[in-house]
Amino acid sequence: AQSVAQPEDQVNVAEGNPLTVKCTYSVSGNPYLFWYVQYPNRGLQFLLKYITGDNLVKGSYGFEAEFNKSQTSFHLKKPSALVSDSALYFCAVRDPYSSASKIIFGSGTRLSIRP
Amino acid sequence: ETGVTQSPTHLIKTRGQQVTLRCSSQSGHNTVSWYQQALGQGPQFIFQYYREEENGRGNFPPRFSGLQFPNYSSELNVNALELDDSALYLCASSLRLAGMNTGELFFGEGSRLTVL
Repeated sequence: AQSVAQPEDQVNVAEGNPLTVKCTYSVSGNPYLFWYVQYPNRGLQFLLKYITGDNLVKGSYGFEAEFNKSQTSFHLKKPSALVSDSALYFCAVRDPYSSASKIIFGSGTRLSIRP
Repeated sequence: ETGVTQSPTHLIKTRGQQVTLRCSSQSGHNTVSWYQQALGQGPQFIFQYYREEENGRGNFPPRFSGLQFPNYSSELNVNALELDDSALYLCASSLRLAGMNTGELFFGEGSRLTVL
């Protein structure tokens, strides 16, 4: 069964420093991987996705993610954090050949950027 | 382009009651997925609808049911409400082409259900 794991419940970073939010996945075949962000009392917003091609994917708000097949990881990164990046981040995976075609979400990582 | 809209935004019910949540999908999208997000957790897949039929279901009991209409809008119905059904219910739309889903989900703001 497909799944994703986010090993950190919370990540704390000073503004201006680089940030990394970790994600590992488990899926048969080639995964479709996603990152979403959720602000308080809001729905989820799409940040970026990996389908195929270049292992470094660039997304919204200056975020990027690196797909690493050998480590089954898809970590979210940003070179310089902003206070406004503080939110809940979810990694997600989809098996493109599953008849259910559902996206499975991780448990989330709360990112806190201090001024 | 119209985004995903959900109604109501908040509602309070008591145990044993029934609830219907509504969702209008993003323009051009033909697939609707429903998720339950309990406080402090990630969204859990309830089911997905494509061409007005259920197309995949998560680990939820039959008292969770849904509909998709010809205009691709959708309803989530929950019967015999339990306290643990208190959560944020998220609707997401996507585009399915040639039998495959390759795109991301577009979420609504959610319906927050409180069961007392």
